[in-house]
Amino acid sequence: NAGVTQTPKFRILKIGQSMTLQCTQDMNHNYMYWYRQDPGMGLKLIYYSVGAGITDKGEVPNGYNVSRSTTEDFPLRLELAAPSQTSVYFCASSYVIWQEGYFGAGTRLSVL
Amino acid sequence: KQEVTQIPAALSVPEGENLVLNCSFTDSAIYNLQWFRQDPGKGLTSLLLIQSSQREQTSGRLNASLDKSSGRSTLYIAASQPGDSATYLCAVDTGNQFYFGTGTSLTVIP
Repeated sequence: NAGVTQTPKFRILKIGQSMTLQCTQDMNHNYMYWYRQDPGMGLKLIYYSVGAGITDKGEVPNGYNVSRSTTEDFPLRLELAAPSQTSVYFCASSYVIWQEGYFGAGTRLSVL
Repeated sequence: KQEVTQIPAALSVPEGENLVLNCSFTDSAIYNLQWFRQDPGKGLTSLLLIQSSQREQTSGRLNASLDKSSGRSTLYIAASQPGDSATYLCAVDTGNQFYFGTGTSLTVIP
């Protein structure tokens, strides 16, 4: 099925651990995004990419890193996980920047 | 910085009722506004996109309006159904970022 695939769906990390959230899309979209959604809050943009090799910071980039080596993949790296990074993470892609994005099902991350 | 607010935070209505969800934003310099639906444990689904030059968009039982000068948008749902139960989020495109509202959780009671 075409769309955005995120792995894993759930993860528990200990403080100080690192991990990579994977995101893959098969729609050949140039634009990809990472958001986090805290309980009762709207989504906040972490990083986005306008094409392979090009990334830029969003509203809340601290504590995260991204890379975009291919059009399909846009992994999000958490270094030295902190409790404040407990959240649901959504990856999205779009044909036109900021418009009508396709969202993955999310990764629910707890840092304890 | 753009702030997007959605009121009410939660809404329960009986099946068949028409309803309106509200979205307000603080900076009227936007390129477009979108309405999304989020089902529990799932990602977002784009419902309607209104360009800044447009006043409204319609898709089936959904109608979204935009008043850019006053910083407001509404999502009108006609003849609500239990399957409409979800969280509805609006988001504005400022040209260099997307800002989401906090959402309205809708429950349609059979």
